[in-house]
Amino acid sequence: DAEITQSPRHKITETGRQVTLACHQTWNHNNMFWYRQDLGHGLRLIHYSYGVQDTNKGEVSDGYSVSRSNTEDLPLTLESAASSQTSVYFCASSESRLPAYEQYFGPGTRLTVT
Amino acid sequence: QKEVEQNSGPLSVPEGAIASLNCTYSDRGSQSFFWYRQYSGKSPELIMSIYSNGDKEDGRFTAQLNKASQYVSLLIRDSQPSDSATYLCAVSNDYKLSFGAGTTVTVRA
Repeated sequence: DAEITQSPRHKITETGRQVTLACHQTWNHNNMFWYRQDLGHGLRLIHYSYGVQDTNKGEVSDGYSVSRSNTEDLPLTLESAASSQTSVYFCASSESRLPAYEQYFGPGTRLTVT
Repeated sequence: QKEVEQNSGPLSVPEGAIASLNCTYSDRGSQSFFWYRQYSGKSPELIMSIYSNGDKEDGRFTAQLNKASQYVSLLIRDSQPSDSATYLCAVSNDYKLSFGAGTTVTVRA
């Protein structure tokens, strides 16, 4: 079955370290998204991609970067981890078929920055 | 003003009752509307999509959309303990979604 996976599921890192969170989908969706979810803020968009070599900043992109070299993967990199980036991170994907913008979410990565 | 607002919770309903969840949005150009269910510690799961004015029913769930009033709602009939979760309203006018903060529903036996 097609699916979307994230790894690792849990990560503890130290302030200042570079961290990469992986997202892999087998639906062949063009669109992929990264969100963070924090109490009191709901889901906030970090970065998104509408296809290979396309990346765009979301509302909370500072300190994060993404690259899209193939359809299946959109890794999220924290350049220099900060305690404010402790959060749960979700990857999602969707087709490019209008009007169906239905996004499907991965299981999430819980990141703790100490 | 937030783009997507949901009625504040938590919402507690007895088993078998109807749970009513409301959502308003600010962007009149929004075309697609979604309800996600999120269990504690899990990822959001899409349960309803609605694109045109009116009602859409799927099992015990009914989504209602009124674009003129910029309002979308979700009704859960015959609420079950398994419906206890946080429900997220999401709105889109392109491929990106804007999410509300969510309403937590507790179904008490």
